[in-house]
Amino acid sequence: AVRMTQSPSSFSASTGNRVTITCRASQDISSYLAWYQQKPGRAPKLLIYLASTLQSGVPSRFSGSGSGTDFTLTISYLQSEDFATYYCQQYYSYPRTFGQGTKVEIK
Amino acid sequence: EVQLVESGGGLVQPGGSLRLSCAASGFTFRTYGMTWVRQAPGKGLEWVASIKDDGSVKYYMDSVKGRFTISRDNAKNSLYLQMNSLRGEDTAVYHCARDKGGSSEDWGQGTLVTVSS
Repeated sequence: AVRMTQSPSSFSASTGNRVTITCRASQDISSYLAWYQQKPGRAPKLLIYLASTLQSGVPSRFSGSGSGTDFTLTISYLQSEDFATYYCQQYYSYPRTFGQGTKVEIK
Repeated sequence: EVQLVESGGGLVQPGGSLRLSCAASGFTFRTYGMTWVRQAPGKGLEWVASIKDDGSVKYYMDSVKGRFTISRDNAKNSLYLQMNSLRGEDTAVYHCARDKGGSSEDWGQGTLVTVSS
């Protein structure tokens, strides 16, 4: 199975900050990577698919990049509603696997 | 509007069985692959199983193979997860999700399965 490793596991930031979360795959997954946002008690929400394609309705301050084994999710200008946990997921092969999550907290 | 509503969760003893259902609406169900993802209390997301749009191909995570069965009824716009030989480590909220080329575009709110004596 492809192992997905996110970093950091958590961090604190202030509104207006630019933040970057990284996700590394244990093998080449091409661009078959998605990013999700999850708030407490809520279902996950798809933000980005195919590594860099913004899901419809998602604000443009979110962006994704990378291919192969190294990927990043960037929030260009952190808003209060962005404090949440973020997960990457590979869908290059089965079993589909998620990263362990990155919790973004308010500083 | 896409809606996915899970049901069937509850408290079950180790070794017991449950059947989860996911009622889909707001889209042409028969043309989408579907997936179950679970989340243990306080833990991260874990992919469980996926099924192709016509039900012809199914995939499972290793720890549920032989115990769980994913299925669908396209006439009823419904997805199912039959869970047998349940273990404590299967305790989680189970979400159904609509596939988007392999990612999961829309999610239900989930149904809680608790395996405990």
